[in-house]
Amino acid sequence: DTGVSQDPRHKITKRGQNVTFRCDPISEHNRLYWYRQTLGQGPEFLTYFQNEAQLEKSRLLSDRFSAERPKGSFSTLEIQRTEQGDSAMYLCASSLKKRGDIQYFGAGTRLSVL
Amino acid sequence: GNSVTQMEGPVTLSEEAFLTINCTYTATGYPSLFWYVQYPGEGLQLLLKATKADDKGSNKGFEATYRKETTSFHLEKGSVQVSDSAVYFCALGGVNSGGSNYKLTFGKGTLLTVNP
Repeated sequence: DTGVSQDPRHKITKRGQNVTFRCDPISEHNRLYWYRQTLGQGPEFLTYFQNEAQLEKSRLLSDRFSAERPKGSFSTLEIQRTEQGDSAMYLCASSLKKRGDIQYFGAGTRLSVL
Repeated sequence: GNSVTQMEGPVTLSEEAFLTINCTYTATGYPSLFWYVQYPGEGLQLLLKATKADDKGSNKGFEATYRKETTSFHLEKGSVQVSDSAVYFCALGGVNSGGSNYKLTFGKGTLLTVNP
């Protein structure tokens, strides 16, 4: 069990550029979640996958955001035409599919849009 | 919708003091409740959880009891240490149509600083 890993840890980009983040969940976990955390706030849910199926997307996830989880393993989160308001910590978590199960979080990717 | 209201910080205590961080929630169904902790420079870690009413979660000297009648899940520790300095998040696990928890709804977090 190597934990949830996220790459990169930090990303600085210019407004209007596209960025992509990667998340590798704990290997046996069939659920994968993306959250966004801004300074002084708790994480906010963005989307989640069960295996390769994306089952829910938050209204926070505008059409500039897209997430995939091909083959039910790693996941990518892409932001197109970044805006300064996208600056945040993007967190990935994974879990098994059962009631009350624990979500294990990665260290996050910190995005700064200049 | 689901929501979590958490005691605002920051909270500053002396070592060996008693800690309470209040957390109340609004939810549909029968959610699970969690406390996560974020140490400086690190990711979120689960501290404890409770999955049904009257359950008590405990870990590392911290405790919280799932109170359905008051919709609360307050975090307590009898004697805090400097190493407990961190941000603490109360979270609620939403229940989907299949009855399993999925997305978490977090409170805003409470910064705890423990001085020697």
